[in-house]
Amino acid sequence: KQEVTQIPAALSVPEGENLVLNCSFTDSAIYNLQWFRQDPGKGLTSLLLIQSSQREQTSGRLNASLDKSSGRSTLYIAASQPGDSATYLCAVGRSNYQLIWGAGTKLIIKP
Amino acid sequence: GAGVSQSPSNKVTEKGKDVELRCDPISGHTALYWYRQSLGQGLEFLIYFQGNSAPDKSGLPSDRFSAERTGGSVSTLTIQRTQQEDSAVYLCASSTTANYGYTFGSGTRLTVV
Repeated sequence: KQEVTQIPAALSVPEGENLVLNCSFTDSAIYNLQWFRQDPGKGLTSLLLIQSSQREQTSGRLNASLDKSSGRSTLYIAASQPGDSATYLCAVGRSNYQLIWGAGTKLIIKP
Repeated sequence: GAGVSQSPSNKVTEKGKDVELRCDPISGHTALYWYRQSLGQGLEFLIYFQGNSAPDKSGLPSDRFSAERTGGSVSTLTIQRTQQEDSAVYLCASSTTANYGYTFGSGTRLTVV
């Protein structure tokens, strides 16, 4: 059974710092891995998708890596801003339609 | 539409009553998903539609839960005889192809009292 864990559960850093969010999964047979952000009272926003055959994806200040052999993914946020404050969710594709989700990391960027 | 629309945004219901939750996906998105997010927990897969068909209903928690999709568009999630443990945020998402390019709605917060 695939289990997805995100550490830390919460993180608070000063504005401008670079930071890394971690996601680990127990079964390396994944379809893909996705990172989302969730803002209070709003839906989830897709950030990055890494296909099973890929090692990383980049979008602006965000970079996500994938290491299937170790069951890990990281989301790197460069030069953090207060607007980056949100809960970040990691989701592992169990199949071509089902995602298994971590519980999220709540990120607070202090001005 | 411009995004995935869910209604109602909030629903408070008495234990034992039936509720219907509606999802209006982005026009042209053939894949539609329902997830449930309980307080402090990760999202839980409920059901997936490809067109009007639901190839996988295994995530539905019990036979009190059912879902349908008509015209390859609007989907309704129905919970019969609601229980307190059904209280959660129910999220709907759609995509052009399965498991890629999700767009989520804002969710329906269901509270069973």
